[in-house]
Amino acid sequence: SQTIHQWPATLVQPVGSPLSLECTVEGTSNPNLYWYRQAAGRGLQLLFYSVGIGQISSEVPQNLSASRPQDRQFILSSKKLLLSDSGFYLCAWSADRGRFFGPGTRLTVL
Amino acid sequence: ELKVEQNPLFLSMQEGKNYTIYCNYSTTSDRLYWYRQDPGKSLESLFVLLSNGAVKQEGRLMASLDTKARLSTLHITAAVHDLSATYFCAVDLADKIIFGKGTRLHILP
Repeated sequence: SQTIHQWPATLVQPVGSPLSLECTVEGTSNPNLYWYRQAAGRGLQLLFYSVGIGQISSEVPQNLSASRPQDRQFILSSKKLLLSDSGFYLCAWSADRGRFFGPGTRLTVL
Repeated sequence: ELKVEQNPLFLSMQEGKNYTIYCNYSTTSDRLYWYRQDPGKSLESLFVLLSNGAVKQEGRLMASLDTKARLSTLHITAAVHDLSATYFCAVDLADKIIFGKGTRLHILP
């Protein structure tokens, strides 16, 4: 069966510091992968999606970036965090039977 | 631009009552998902609706899809406290899915 992992689970970072969140998927090959952000009490905003290694599509302009160095690895990064980057970051992968989410990373920028 | 609108956004109801959450969307799609999110947790997949007229049921929840009307519903039958959560619908556009804002359901004992 397929499993999706995210780490870290929680993160507290100062404004201006760098960020790296990692997502890996097991049990499937060449998945479509997605990064979503959920601000407190809000809906989900699609940030990036990837249909293959090195292929990244960005949905919103911001100080975040994404990379897909391996088939089942998706990384979300920032060189300098802003207060507004705080939120719950969810990685997801797609299959014919739906989209499935990882456990999430809760990021607090102070 | 695709819009996915859920209503209501907040619902407080008594145990034992029935209610329906609506999800309207603005572009053609024949695939729609319903998710549940508990506070502080990730999203749990509830239903995948793959065609016009699809109806799926799990326990006290039933979801349906009308692609012609661009409408999906999530019906709750005889609500129980354990169903308190936020429910999201999401429309599949093949390369990405777009979420509604969610319906926060609070079921009173």
